[in-house]
Amino acid sequence: DAGVTQSPTHLIKTRGQHVTLRCSPISGHKSVSWYQQVLGQGPQFIFQYYEKEERGRGNFPDRFSARQFPNYSSELNVNALLLGDSALYLCASSSGTSSYNEQFFGPGTRLTVL
Amino acid sequence: GEDVEQSLFLSVREGDSSVINCTYTDSSSTYLYWYKQEPGAGLQLLTYIFSNMDMKQDQRLTVLLNKKDKHLSLRIADTQTGDSAIYFCALPRATNKLIFGTGTLLAVQP
Repeated sequence: DAGVTQSPTHLIKTRGQHVTLRCSPISGHKSVSWYQQVLGQGPQFIFQYYEKEERGRGNFPDRFSARQFPNYSSELNVNALLLGDSALYLCASSSGTSSYNEQFFGPGTRLTVL
Repeated sequence: GEDVEQSLFLSVREGDSSVINCTYTDSSSTYLYWYKQEPGAGLQLLTYIFSNMDMKQDQRLTVLLNKKDKHLSLRIADTQTGDSAIYFCALPRATNKLIFGTGTLLAVQP
């Protein structure tokens, strides 16, 4: 079985541009969460989607948005990119939203904003 | 916001034991997790402990939980070079949103 996949692996953008990151969860998983990991820090929660509905949102500006599709894959969109948005963006999938549902992480998308 | 703190760096020799520490402010989690992150790879769940336990052993890994002091530790016995990575403690909140610690870089010297 394939694990969580993310695309692209790496991305370079300039300030003011927008970016779309993609995530495919493990087959059968209906929950997808997004995390931002700035270099030297722990991952910070951005969004969680379950059954195509937003279930949680972290302390991020409205420039960040996400959605989940009927096949449970997900996109994270970031508008008006800032230098500070440079980070590793991690996607995690799980079968549910309880704390006993293990979250499986993808390898991440490395975003560099110049 | 809540704080989950870890020491930044730990260096040990191969074969020695490693102890990675984590302190937190909000003790409402039912589970407490340890994740491992290797270069170029995503986060891998290493082990976890229920909040009503004091200790859990899993092969070379021992997790200790002191709820009174809000302190969590991960001990790796017989540390190997393959254990070199960044280790994060993580506490789940509502809807299983994870709050991660700052991460500890473990360097294992041969």
